[in-house]
Amino acid sequence: GAGVSQSPSNKVTEKGKDVELRCDPISGHTALYWYRQSLGQGLEFLIYFQGNSAPDKSGLPSDRFSAERTGGSVSTLTIQRTQQEDSAVYLCASSPRTSGIYEQYFGPGTRLTVT
Amino acid sequence: GEDVEQSLFLSVREGDSSVINCTYTDSSSTYLYWYKQEPGAGLQLLTYIFSNMDMKQDQRLTVLLNKKDKHLSLRIADTQTGDSAIYFCAERDGGSQGNLIFGKGTKLSVKP
Repeated sequence: GAGVSQSPSNKVTEKGKDVELRCDPISGHTALYWYRQSLGQGLEFLIYFQGNSAPDKSGLPSDRFSAERTGGSVSTLTIQRTQQEDSAVYLCASSPRTSGIYEQYFGPGTRLTVT
Repeated sequence: GEDVEQSLFLSVREGDSSVINCTYTDSSSTYLYWYKQEPGAGLQLLTYIFSNMDMKQDQRLTVLLNKKDKHLSLRIADTQTGDSAIYFCAERDGGSQGNLIFGKGTKLSVKP
C-alpha cells in the first residue's frame, strides 16, 4: 500500500517568504507527527496530531510555525517569514496507534533551503 | 529532560558484525526503536523492543536492552555494503502523545 508522502520534496525560498509543506499520511492512521532534521543534528519533534486536534504544540520553535490537519488526513506545516535557521529537512510520520507499539512510518521529507 | 545519546560514526569491513550503541534517560520508556536512514530517504523502522525484554532477534539484527544501565544496542551480523546508512535510536516519550525522542544517529560505513 501507499506510504507517507510529502510535498514538495525540495523547496528553496528567500528569507522572509512564507512556505507550506504538505504531508499525506497512510490511510487510516490517526496520529501524525512533524519532525525537523537539521544538518548534524538528530530529529527534533515539532507537533503531534491525534485526528484533527493538536494536543501539544510546545515543540514548535517559534510562533512563525503553525500546522493544521483536516479530515483526519492531510496535514500542512506553515512557516511564516522564513529565516535561514529554518533550513532543514522536515519529516512527517504517521502511526496507527492501535497496536500499542506506536510505531511511526516516515515520509521521505521536504528539504527546505532558505537563502 | 529526556535525552538519547549515540556515537556518531562506525566503520566496519564487509562480513564483520556491527554494533551500534545507544543510551537513553527516560526510565519510563515502554518501547525503544531502531530506524535506518539511507541517503536522501526518510526513516525506515528496522526493529523495536519492549522494555520488559532483554533481547530481540530478527534475521541479521539483534537488539540488546540493559534496562538497569539504560543501554540499547543494535548488532548487525554479516554486515553488507547495503547496510551503509545512518542508524537512529529512539525512545518513546513518556507522555501521552507518543512522539519519539531520537539520538543524533550513527553513520555506519561498510568497507568492501
